[in-house]
Amino acid sequence: QKEVEQNSGPLSVPEGAIASLNCTYSDRGSQSFFWYRQYSGKSPELIMFIYSNGDKEDGRFTAQLNKASQYVSLLIRDSQPSDSATYLCAVNGYNNNDMRFGAGTRLTVKP
Amino acid sequence: DGGITQSPKYLFRKEGQNVTLSCEQNLNHDAMYWYRQDPGQGLRLIYYSQIVNDFQKGDIAEGYSVSREKKESFPLTVTSAQKNPTAFYLCASSQTGGQPQHFGDGTRLSIL
Repeated sequence: QKEVEQNSGPLSVPEGAIASLNCTYSDRGSQSFFWYRQYSGKSPELIMFIYSNGDKEDGRFTAQLNKASQYVSLLIRDSQPSDSATYLCAVNGYNNNDMRFGAGTRLTVKP
Repeated sequence: DGGITQSPKYLFRKEGQNVTLSCEQNLNHDAMYWYRQDPGQGLRLIYYSQIVNDFQKGDIAEGYSVSREKKESFPLTVTSAQKNPTAFYLCASSQTGGQPQHFGDGTRLSIL
């Protein structure tokens, strides 16, 4: 069983729509959760992090965490073509030394 | 500007050769990490260090070695024992373990 799972996509949404990206994880003791954006050929860039159950909003981005169900999601409102990238979910385990990455979801926003 | 600097951007390795990838940070972060990314894959942890003069193996440490003699520097050596070294190598740092990690621009390693 993969420790952090994401739908590989591609996920395609029209410009201005809401993009919803999901991630599940296997370690119930996980403490912190991160979303990274990675453009093709570039390094990952931190978008959001969340530590507590519920929603966390930052501009057009909202991270949602449900520890009981072991999933974390990222919503992108008013999607723009510049949001087209691969989104990586990352989860830090109980000992905080061991961040696990999902394989990423490729998002395409069509003008 | 604070950040993480990786060099070189591209590196080519000959058979039987060891090569060293540089990673320097001026963020005053305690923790540093090395990841490997293969095409279409997520990141896999090679080594990490929470403090100077200490480091731990990640999931795929075989064929790699590191040192952490200074807080700012965490070089990675890809040894000849690593039979499939072609990948995108990413260095990251965080204030401490569990905090958000920030990445350098990466080094692409290929075999000649």
